[in-house]
Amino acid sequence: NAGVTQTPKFQVLKTGQSMTLQCAQDMNHEYMSWYRQDPGMGLRLIHYSVGAGITDQGEVPNGYNVSRSTTEDFPLRLLSAAPSQTSVYFCASSYFGEVNYGYTFGSGTRLTVV
Amino acid sequence: GNSVTQMEGPVTLSEEAFLTINCTYTATGYPSLFWYVQYPGEGLQLLLKATKADDKGSNKGFEATYRKETTSFHLEKGSVQVSDSAVYFCALRLIQGAQKLVFGQGTRLTINP
Repeated sequence: NAGVTQTPKFQVLKTGQSMTLQCAQDMNHEYMSWYRQDPGMGLRLIHYSVGAGITDQGEVPNGYNVSRSTTEDFPLRLLSAAPSQTSVYFCASSYFGEVNYGYTFGSGTRLTVV
Repeated sequence: GNSVTQMEGPVTLSEEAFLTINCTYTATGYPSLFWYVQYPGEGLQLLLKATKADDKGSNKGFEATYRKETTSFHLEKGSVQVSDSAVYFCALRLIQGAQKLVFGQGTRLTINP
């Protein structure tokens, strides 16, 4: 099993550019989520999904869009990149209704916006 | 609301020292509790968990006991190694609602040889 796969691992964008961070899992997890990690800020939830076709906002959704057309994939779109979006982004997945299992995390995407 | 508070870091210890990282939580229901570890340049890995009161989670020499009366889940290790240097996150998850994982702010641990 590959677990949670994130691509790319590193990305540099210019202000105003758009891009999509990819996340795929092969564990048939219903629950998927995106976090950003900034120094001294811990992990902050951007968006999450409890199943295909269902998404909702987390703590810091502004500037990001998501969709969930399949169980496996949960891409995160940056609409118009800003320097404030420089961060490390983590995708995570889990079973829904099985809170004892916690999350499985991807290895992260380090994004720099210049 | 639901929240997790961890002791402030960074924490610096010498090899073979005893480690405690405090974690307390506030929850509207009855959560499952987790410790995650993040090694430099990597994602988060589940270190241990406990799902009900008085449960003890353990892994790689680390332990944490679910204390409902004090709403705590402190992480301990009897003798730390340089390889334990990492950031540690305490987290809770509730069965109600969206079942989001709520994280503490993380504690950076550095072990010196």
